[in-house]
Amino acid sequence: DARVTQTPRDKVTEMGQEVTMRCQPILGHNTVFWYRQTMMQGLELLAYFRNRAPLDDSGMPKDRFSAEMPDATLATLKIQPSEPRDSAVYFCASGLSHFAGSGADTQYFGPGTRLTVL
Amino acid sequence: QQQVKQSPQSLIVQKGGISIINCAYENTAFDYFPWYQQFPGKGPALLIAIRPDVSEKKEGRFTISFNKSAKQFSLHIMDSQPGDSATYFCAASTTNFGNEKLTFGTGTRLTIIP
Repeated sequence: DARVTQTPRDKVTEMGQEVTMRCQPILGHNTVFWYRQTMMQGLELLAYFRNRAPLDDSGMPKDRFSAEMPDATLATLKIQPSEPRDSAVYFCASGLSHFAGSGADTQYFGPGTRLTVL
Repeated sequence: QQQVKQSPQSLIVQKGGISIINCAYENTAFDYFPWYQQFPGKGPALLIAIRPDVSEKKEGRFTISFNKSAKQFSLHIMDSQPGDSATYFCAASTTNFGNEKLTFGTGTRLTIIP
């Protein structure tokens, strides 16, 4: 049963600390998305990658957030320094672009990382 | 242009009844309209999706109705069950390569009461 995995599931940290969240996409998927979910803003896209290359990170605060894919099996989202307003659930999702010129339609979400910044 | 508006914010339906959630969009370039279901503590999971070349899609008790001219689509859950209690998100995207970001509605918290 292929699924997206995320670590850690819960993270509590103090303001100013660095936070790194990790995601393992479904094997064979070539598109990875990072979302943030809050009560106030709902689900927001932060960034996404195709074949490990960043396609869009316009939803991400660039001064403190960074997203990378060191290899096809790992995506990371880093916040440095973290702030209380970053408290949210961060979801990774992966999908497959079936053929050239087509985007990924179905996105498979991981269980999320619940981040609390004190 | 990228908004997807969803209503109602919350919905209570009796077991066996029909649950209806509505969404409206602005961007005519959208060509893919999925519904996601989310249980507490879990990530959203695709429930059913439709493309604008059909006006209705049915999978089991779940049906999407799509009105392209009105730029509206809705989710109908027939014979609603307590296990359907969850938050439902509509979404929209294009499937153009490099532009398939999902734009989500604000969610509907559905509660099915016995």
